Amino acid sequence: DVKVTQSSRYLVKRTGEKVFLECVQDMDHENMFWYRQDPGLGLRLIYFSYDVKMKEKGDIPEGYSVSREKKERFSLILESASTNQTSMYLCASSLWTSSYEQYFGPGTRLTVT
Amino acid sequence: KQEVTQIPAALSVPEGENLVLNCSFTDSAIYNLQWFRQDPGKGLTSLLLIQSSQREQTSGRLNASLDKSSGRSTLYIAASQPGDSATYLCAVTAGGTSYGKLTFGQGTILTVHP
Repeated sequence: DVKVTQSSRYLVKRTGEKVFLECVQDMDHENMFWYRQDPGLGLRLIYFSYDVKMKEKGDIPEGYSVSREKKERFSLILESASTNQTSMYLCASSLWTSSYEQYFGPGTRLTVT
Repeated sequence: KQEVTQIPAALSVPEGENLVLNCSFTDSAIYNLQWFRQDPGKGLTSLLLIQSSQREQTSGRLNASLDKSSGRSTLYIAASQPGDSATYLCAVTAGGTSYGKLTFGQGTILTVHP
């Protein structure tokens, strides 16, 4: 079974702090994704990566950066957390195959106060 | 820009009913369509994936159909159970070199009461 893990289930940070959200997958997937999920707005893609050190912006990259130094790990970085970044953050991964089926982690509920 | 719409936004049914969830998308140039389930406060669990060349997929009591030309998919749940209560999300993968990026609908909140 594919397993995608995220470093924290719940996180509380203060405005202005630098925040790291970590995601690890154990199935040697090439593609990894970061989404945020908000009531009324659904899931929106922040960034994705299709290989080590390769990244592309999604629909809402402002205020975020990412890092992928190893194939299994994809980090989302909030350079200076703000209250409007309070959200549920979901990581996913997929193989570069004919299906691109995405597998999701359990999510991190981030609250910025 | 691809837009995905799910109807209804919420559905409440008695246990044992068969039900249909609807998903529509504006750009028919999709690679595939996935249906997910999400329990409150949790991540997404993939239920079914339909490739653009397929018409339907089945898994247990779930059946998903795809009509790419009309931009529609349905998820049919047979003999619903209280354990089916969750939010159901549909998502499409763009065609071309999209690296499998998904565009999600807003979801249908399903409640199955005993």
